[in-house]
Amino acid sequence: QVQLQESGPGLVKPSQTLSLTCTVSGASISSGTYYWSWIRQPAGKGLEWIGRIYNTGSTNYNPSLKSRVTISVDMSKNQFSLKLTSVTAADTAVYYCARTGGTFDYWGQGTLVTVSS
Amino acid sequence: DIQMTQSPSTLSASVGDRVTITCRASQSISNWLGWYQQKPGKAPKLLIYKASNLESGVPSRFSGSGSGTEFTLTISSLQPDDFATYYCQQYNSYSPLSFGGGTKVEIK
Repeated sequence: QVQLQESGPGLVKPSQTLSLTCTVSGASISSGTYYWSWIRQPAGKGLEWIGRIYNTGSTNYNPSLKSRVTISVDMSKNQFSLKLTSVTAADTAVYYCARTGGTFDYWGQGTLVTVSS
Repeated sequence: DIQMTQSPSTLSASVGDRVTITCRASQSISNWLGWYQQKPGKAPKLLIYKASNLESGVPSRFSGSGSGTEFTLTISSLQPDDFATYYCQQYNSYSPLSFGGGTKVEIK
């Protein structure tokens, strides 16, 4: 059974960097076939895809966030990570990691990140 | 960017009703479309991929159809567990992958 689990600080100050990690179990990021994505959802709003990474380290980002986003992978730990710089209150959301084969078939439970001083 | 527009945004229905949700793409996406169900406080769950293919374990009362720019998700007989918000998602283009705004199915 594939499982994903997000971890990281739940509170980030404005202008600082949001950092989250997704730990994958039941599947190996290094095996290929799938991309691994970050998606976010502000309270009461819809879903926004942030970006994805392949096992080669190849990435694709949402152009609306591209200047502030970095997604990286650590295959030794079977983890991938998100960094979002210069955050504002608009970045407050539940952040999900998900396995991506076009659609998103396995998701983490989500983690709430609040941007506030 | 490919914009995905869902209608209606809210739908009131009763148990046993047949329910249809529409998703329109701003340009042709062939059949590269998925549908998700999301309940409060939970991650979305994939229901349908490639417009009409039922994900493993999803009840057969859910079905999807369409191609090009217009798609539908149908629930043939609404069950109490189906009251949730539904999202469509295109994957014809990853720049960016994009979701519809959601359709909330409420109890009438």
